[in-house]
Amino acid sequence: ETGVTQSPTHLIKTRGQQVTLRCSSQSGHNTVSWYQQALGQGPQFIFQYYREEENGRGNFPPRFSGLQFPNYSSELNVNALELDDSALYLCASSTDREEATQYFGPGTRLTVL
Amino acid sequence: AQSVAQPEDQVNVAEGNPLTVKCTYSVSGNPYLFWYVQYPNRGLQFLLKYITGDNLVKGSYGFEAEFNKSQTSFHLKKPSALVSDSALYFCAVRARHIPTFGRGTSLIVHP
Repeated sequence: ETGVTQSPTHLIKTRGQQVTLRCSSQSGHNTVSWYQQALGQGPQFIFQYYREEENGRGNFPPRFSGLQFPNYSSELNVNALELDDSALYLCASSTDREEATQYFGPGTRLTVL
Repeated sequence: AQSVAQPEDQVNVAEGNPLTVKCTYSVSGNPYLFWYVQYPNRGLQFLLKYITGDNLVKGSYGFEAEFNKSQTSFHLKKPSALVSDSALYFCAVRARHIPTFGRGTSLIVHP
């Protein structure tokens, strides 16, 4: 098991609501990335945070936002939830080198009704 | 834009036989290539990566992968499959801090 933890494990929301997902990095890691994995698909990169700044973003709308805290833990916020936001949300931590291995948490399963 | 293709949705192999899971990629510049494995309702586990140097990379659980620059491929291999290897396998490429994953290949190892 990696040292990356995520909370909550499961979450059910209704369309239009807002949600916050949390991630604690593995010790020694200063970079956090978030991914969305829809059923039967590979993980889609949402964004990456390094030293509390976003330094990479995938093709996701602004209603997906994040934070990284001084202890390198992170939050993913999604506003105005849509049915298609239902997915497994994965957090991964690493060092800041581009070739660094990312270590994934177990994920948060979000269901939007 | 960079991309990763895993042309097989599913690979079936008998226990004890060699296995190959295919991956091709498209990226500008020199890529960093990764393989991850995912078990049901779990996050991804790192298997191996190619950064530079020897084209044959050895990783966890007896897996290895061969980087082929001319064919832009990074196929995952194992000499002798185990039933416990049955899982979902993802190839990923990383360039300019943007990671891209393939759709995944379901490996089924039959006893």
